[in-house]
Amino acid sequence: LAKTTQPISMDSYEGQEVNITCSHNNIATNDYITWYQQFPSQGPRFIIQGYKTKVTNEVASLFIPADRKSSTLSLPRVSLSDTAVYYCLVGPANQAGTALIFGKGTTLSVSS
Amino acid sequence: KAGVTQTPRYLIKTRGQQVTLSCSPISGHRSVSWYQQTPGQGLQFLFEYFSETQRNKGNFPGRFSGRQFSNSRSEMNVSTLELGDSALYLCASSLGTGGQFEQFFGPGTRLTVL
Repeated sequence: LAKTTQPISMDSYEGQEVNITCSHNNIATNDYITWYQQFPSQGPRFIIQGYKTKVTNEVASLFIPADRKSSTLSLPRVSLSDTAVYYCLVGPANQAGTALIFGKGTTLSVSS
Repeated sequence: KAGVTQTPRYLIKTRGQQVTLSCSPISGHRSVSWYQQTPGQGLQFLFEYFSETQRNKGNFPGRFSGRQFSNSRSEMNVSTLELGDSALYLCASSLGTGGQFEQFFGPGTRLTVL
């Protein structure tokens, strides 16, 4: 499984755009990149997933360069409620028995 | 559609006892995974079940076990509880196994071992 590295913590202010980058240098051809968000005492929640280029949904964008060795989660105009831990995961498609490994994640703190 | 449900939500046990936690996945989901979350170790994978078969197991002692029933509901059991087993136990379900499937997490069971 590809190992991921992301910053331990980030600070931001309300209304700013936040970009969290995750490195996954040994990503495999059939690996997908997925980001989850977790609030205290709750289970993680899916944010966005991509394979290559750019993916956008109603809450975030995911930028993946051509070599796919990193990815960047972009949160536009964050609010206090975006304060959470963000996890980057890399896992192969259609491969039974392969566990998704959550790293330490990035703790995002948004202030007013 | 109802989400993933876990019971009980809170549990207090003493050392040496055993405990069984239950997870009901989203209807139609056949894969159930279990995680342990502690402040020091973060989210750690316990095991994954798909169609009643354990597909993968994390690095936990044999005191931790699980099973999945034909209706995809899953249980995990921890025997001979230790203080270090105090944690939030999370269950997640997905349509299938593999990195392309979104995992839907339940609210967790908070286990306290005294």
